[in-house]
Amino acid sequence: GENVEQHPSTLSVQEGDSAVIKCTYSDSASNYFPWYKQELGKRPQLIIDIRSNVGEKKDQRIAVTLNKTAKHFSLHITETQPEDSAVYFCAATWGTGTASKLTFGTGTRLQVTL
Amino acid sequence: DAGVIQSPRHEVTEMGQEVTLRCKPISGHDYLFWYRQTMMRGLELLIYFNNNVPIDDSGMPEDRFSAKMPNASFSTLKIQPSEPRDSAVYFCASRGPDPGAPREQFFGPGTRLTVL
Repeated sequence: GENVEQHPSTLSVQEGDSAVIKCTYSDSASNYFPWYKQELGKRPQLIIDIRSNVGEKKDQRIAVTLNKTAKHFSLHITETQPEDSAVYFCAATWGTGTASKLTFGTGTRLQVTL
Repeated sequence: DAGVIQSPRHEVTEMGQEVTLRCKPISGHDYLFWYRQTMMRGLELLIYFNNNVPIDDSGMPEDRFSAKMPNASFSTLKIQPSEPRDSAVYFCASRGPDPGAPREQFFGPGTRLTVL
C-alpha cells in the first residue's frame, strides 16, 4: 500500500518568513495530493490540493509543488502569520471509487513566532 | 449544510464498557470515513464506506471495533469492550460521489474518547 513520509515534524519560523514542508510517497500510481491544516482542538481542513497532471498550484500565500519523478511534493507558505500556526498534514491517493482512501503523513507542527 | 455532524463530542467511560460514536455525513455525500487520531500514531483510517457498503476495514484494530452504516445519513462506530488504549479523537469524514465531485474529504468536529 501507499506510504507517505513527512518532514520536518516541527518547524518554527518568524512572522513574515517562509515555511516549507516536504512529503514523499511510495506508490507511483498516486495522483491526488491534498494538504490539510489542523488547528489545536479542531478538525483537519483542506487548504490546497494538487493532481498529478499539474506541477505547481498556488493560492494566495500557499503553494504546492509536485515532482512525480522523484515522488515528492511540498507545501510552501510565504509571509507567514501567527494564524498559520497549526499542524499540517500531507496525504496521497491513487484511486477513485473503491480505492479512495487517503494515506496521511505524520504531520508537521508549524509555529509562527512574533 | 451543517457539515459533518458527530456525537457525542466528548465521551468518558470506564474500561470494559461499550462505546458508540455517531456520524451524520453531508447530504449527498456517498463516501464516509472513520479515522482515529493519537499523538503516537497520527491520523489513521479505520474503515470507509461507499453507498453504505464497507469498502476497506483493514484499519480496524481488532474485533472489539465494529462500524455500520444503515443508511446514507447515519453511521456508527462501536467499541466493545473499550480499553484505555482506545483513548483518542475519532473523526468522521465524508466526500462527494464519483465522478466529477471534488475529492476533498470534509471532517466532522471529532469525538474525544477517554477510557479510564
